[in-house]
Amino acid sequence: KQEVTQIPAALSVPEGENLVLNCSFTDSAIYNLQWFRQDPGKGLTSLLLIQSSQREQTSGRLNASLDKSSGRSTLYIAASQPGDSATYLCAVGSNYQLIWGAGTKLIIKP
Amino acid sequence: KAGVTQTPRYLIKTRGQQVTLSCSPISGHRSVSWYQQTPGQGLQFLFEYFSETQRNKGNFPGRFSGRQFSNSRSEMNVSTLELGDSALYLCASSLAEGFNEQFFGPGTRLTVL
Repeated sequence: KQEVTQIPAALSVPEGENLVLNCSFTDSAIYNLQWFRQDPGKGLTSLLLIQSSQREQTSGRLNASLDKSSGRSTLYIAASQPGDSATYLCAVGSNYQLIWGAGTKLIIKP
Repeated sequence: KAGVTQTPRYLIKTRGQQVTLSCSPISGHRSVSWYQQTPGQGLQFLFEYFSETQRNKGNFPGRFSGRQFSNSRSEMNVSTLELGDSALYLCASSLAEGFNEQFFGPGTRLTVL
């Protein structure tokens, strides 16, 4: 059974720092992996989608990597800003459904 | 291009009642997926519809059902509501079935009293 874990559960850093969020999964038989952000009381915003054949994807200050063999993905956020404060979720496409991590709550202090 | 819309945004029901939630996907998207989000269980997959057919289903009881119309709009229904059904219900659309990039609506917050 696929399980997705995100570490840390919460993170608070000063503005301007570069940071890394981690996502691990137990079964390497995945279709893709997607990173989302969720603002309080809101829906989900897709950040990056990495297909199983890809190693990384980049969008602006965000870079996501995927290592299927080790069951790990990282989301790198460069030069963090207060507007980056949100909960970040990773979801793995596996067994004909998306399996979700519990999320990392990120707070960027001005 | 308009995003995914969900109605209603908020709903309060009592135990034993039933509820219907609606989702309109992004124009041109033919796949709609539904998810339940609770503080205790996080996000869980309910089901996926494509071309008016349920393609995949998560591990939820039969009280949870859905359908998709010819214009790709989708509804989900929960019968005999329980307190534990209180959650944020999220709908996502994508171009095709399977695991293309999914785009989410704002969700419907259901409270069962």
